[in-house]
Amino acid sequence: DAKTTQPTSMDCAEGRAANLPCNHSTISGNEYVYWYRQIHSQGPQYIIHGLKNNETNEMASLIITEDRKSSTLILPHATLRDTAVYYCIVRVSNNNDMRFGAGTRLTVKP
Amino acid sequence: GAVVSQHPSWVICKSGTSVKIECRSLDFQATTMFWYRQFPKQSLMLMATSNEGSKATYEQGVEKDKFLINHASLTLSTLTVTSAHPEDSSFYICSAGAEFAGGVSRQPQHFGDGTRLSIL
Repeated sequence: DAKTTQPTSMDCAEGRAANLPCNHSTISGNEYVYWYRQIHSQGPQYIIHGLKNNETNEMASLIITEDRKSSTLILPHATLRDTAVYYCIVRVSNNNDMRFGAGTRLTVKP
Repeated sequence: GAVVSQHPSWVICKSGTSVKIECRSLDFQATTMFWYRQFPKQSLMLMATSNEGSKATYEQGVEKDKFLINHASLTLSTLTVTSAHPEDSSFYICSAGAEFAGGVSRQPQHFGDGTRLSIL
């Protein structure tokens, strides 16, 4: 699976949109982009995934560039409870293991 | 939605004790489950892939005799830390994903809430 690069940390004001970038320049044509987050002392929580089209669900939006070499996770109205480490992962299918990088530590501030 | 249950949530035991951690998929079947370990302020590290009905596949550097994995059914995988020592103290997490005919699915993996293991 392709490797991803994310900023180490980001801050966001409560109520504002949080935009978390991810670079995956070596992504293959059949690899999906998945986003998870981990709140302290809990297991990772699935957020969203996509292949090439932009995706939106009740938690977030995922914007994937046309060349698929990068993506952005958008939390439209960040709350204090969104403070967590966010992981961007690329993988082919469900049967493949999921390998975590360092992720981005997002801190939402009042 | 898919739920993965992990038990126990935390355990404290003496050095030399063996500890078993269970991972269950509650509303779906999973022929493959994954076990991770996470040390403080670090990311999740994949330890092994648990395969129903066959031997687990271990990542390089993970001792298979130390971390015994049994995937006895399509909804249960267990990780046993044998003769645990203080350096085995960590946060252990499992994951599983719903599978479909043909064995290929884009559905996400779901993670248990983890087991915090402390060896005294």
